[in-house]
Amino acid sequence: GENVEQHPSTLSVQEGDSAVIKCTYSDSASNYFPWYKQELGKRPQLIIDIRSNVGEKKDQRIAVTLNKTAKHFSLHITETQPEDSAVYFCAASKGGSQGNLIFGKGTKLSVKP
Amino acid sequence: NAGVTQTPKFQVLKTGQSMTLQCAQDMNHNSMYWYRQDPGMGLRLIYYSASEGTTDKGEVPNGYNVSRLNKREFSLRLESAAPSQTSVYFCASSEALTGEETQYFGPGTRLLVL
Repeated sequence: GENVEQHPSTLSVQEGDSAVIKCTYSDSASNYFPWYKQELGKRPQLIIDIRSNVGEKKDQRIAVTLNKTAKHFSLHITETQPEDSAVYFCAASKGGSQGNLIFGKGTKLSVKP
Repeated sequence: NAGVTQTPKFQVLKTGQSMTLQCAQDMNHNSMYWYRQDPGMGLRLIYYSASEGTTDKGEVPNGYNVSRLNKREFSLRLESAAPSQTSVYFCASSEALTGEETQYFGPGTRLLVL
């Protein structure tokens, strides 16, 4: 079945450094790729998303890139801050008429001050 | 707007007991979802409802039933709870099931089955 692989599972960076999280997907019909941030004990919240007709999207310190040919997309966080520490999930829409999301298993990002 | 709300926040059950998790949204969304989240497993879809009056199975539906009571409410029922159903359950909603709609999550229900 459809699958989303996410790497790394844990990532530790120093404050001010950049962080990159990568995801690959298997469904060639996927056309929507959101990223969610989940702080400890809280709900997942959308931080950025990208659609298949766009290769890159930026929002302040956060950017997402998409390579449809290779079926992978990445989250880039620049100038990391301690409040960026959380678990990040990528997801890909399920192709066809259903439109559900398939989530990666998450990356725990720790930003050390 | 409260967004997506869930009750209860936390529940302890004994094996074999039943319970219903409640979810409501006030964003006039058409589609609603139930996920479970287990450590290291990400979010897995249990059931979803594309629109009022319809429900469909997701990736892990066994042991669960759902009811789309009206456009606002979508409940998840465990008929006979098992320890394997210990998890955090999230409800979510989106405007439609087009595959390009943002899903908004509720605060979650933490369920422990002994």
